[in-house]
Amino acid sequence: EPEVTQTPSHQVTQMGQEVILRCVPISNHLYFYWYRQILGQKVEFLVSFYNNEISEKSEIFDDQFSVERPDGSNFTLKIRSTKLEDSAMYFCASSVGGTGTDTQYFGPGTRLTVL
Amino acid sequence: AQSVTQLGSHVSVSEGALVLLRCNYSSSVPPYLFWYVQYPNQGLQLLLKYTSAATLVKGINGFEAEFKKSETSFHLTKPSAHMSDAAEYFCAVTLTSNTGKLIFGQGTTLQVKP
Repeated sequence: EPEVTQTPSHQVTQMGQEVILRCVPISNHLYFYWYRQILGQKVEFLVSFYNNEISEKSEIFDDQFSVERPDGSNFTLKIRSTKLEDSAMYFCASSVGGTGTDTQYFGPGTRLTVL
Repeated sequence: AQSVTQLGSHVSVSEGALVLLRCNYSSSVPPYLFWYVQYPNQGLQLLLKYTSAATLVKGINGFEAEFKKSETSFHLTKPSAHMSDAAEYFCAVTLTSNTGKLIFGQGTTLQVKP
């Protein structure tokens, strides 16, 4: 069964460094998402992406964040200058459609630790 | 603000007992509702979803949930717990058909005792 994959599973970085989190969505899916979960808190929506454009973003997704689909398979989340509060589990998801009823398929997550 | 509340961050049941995980939502319009499960070191997996068809929704692994508009609830149940059901469960909503943005509850960890 196709699945969403994410690399790395765990990333440790120093505050102020740039990180790129990578995701490979399911191949026939058109909509892509990033969510994050700070330890002990809810899973929070960051951004949705369709047709090489951001379709929706949350307040969290400020200028420090960017997303890209650099080729036909990868979907990346870049954090330009990491802060301590960026430490979280980051989940990528993809779906065929982008409506409220479409099922999103999630990857296993990347745990980001900012020191 | 729209939100999802899961009552009980930890629920413990005995193997074979009823599982009941509670989810309430606040929304000015009936939302679309989802239950996801996360097993250790895995991604969130859809258990079931309500999209304004039948109010009683059956999902995978014997789980079901009932949408009750009058109670703004979407509780997840399973008649008989298995050890393999031990995981974290997330209730989530999308607010309209125009967005895929999921709004999550805080999650409930289900422990199943032998």
